[in-house]
Amino acid sequence: GDSVTQMEGPVTLSEEAFLTINCTYTATGYPSLFWYVQYPGEGLQLLLKATKADDKGSNKGFEATYRKETTSFHLEKGSVQVSDSAVYFCALSEETSGSRLTFGEGTQLTVNP
Amino acid sequence: NAGVTQTPKFQVLKTGQSMTLQCAQDMNHEYMSWYRQDPGMGLRLIHYSVGAGITDQGEVPNGYNVSRSTTEDFPLRLLSAAPSQTSVYFCASSYSSGAAFEQYFGPGTRLTVT
Repeated sequence: GDSVTQMEGPVTLSEEAFLTINCTYTATGYPSLFWYVQYPGEGLQLLLKATKADDKGSNKGFEATYRKETTSFHLEKGSVQVSDSAVYFCALSEETSGSRLTFGEGTQLTVNP
Repeated sequence: NAGVTQTPKFQVLKTGQSMTLQCAQDMNHEYMSWYRQDPGMGLRLIHYSVGAGITDQGEVPNGYNVSRSTTEDFPLRLLSAAPSQTSVYFCASSYSSGAAFEQYFGPGTRLTVT
């Protein structure tokens, strides 16, 4: 079945540091890929998405590129802020699964001033 | 728009009790889902619905029932609570946006079963 694997966390960075959170996936078809963010005490919010190979999703300074050859969708940001502290989830949905999402385990990011 | 709303925010149950977690959305989305979030395991799909009157099981459906009598509401019923159901529950609604579905999540219900 489908699966998503994220880098082990938690991740602690200083403000203005470069961020990478790794995400790899296993899927039978051609999935759409997502990054969701969860701020403390809140539900998940869509951060960015990519629907086909080589697509780059971007939002709020975050980027991720859909790499079919390495089955990866790594999240990057050039300069993190304290306000980026949150849990980040990588997820996929298959063409045949419609609205159903398969999530990674989540990565806790803490950014210190 | 209120988006996706969930009630209650917190709940404590004793083993064997039953309860219903409420979920409502005002965006006229066809698709709705229930997930549970457990530490180190991400979110796992419990049940989902592709429209009023149509529901199906997700990855971890045992011990839970759902129904979808209206587009707006998608309640989740715990039939006989067990400590293994201690978790944070999220309801989501979604619509098709081109090749992918955009999911909108509620704020969650934190459930403790003692």
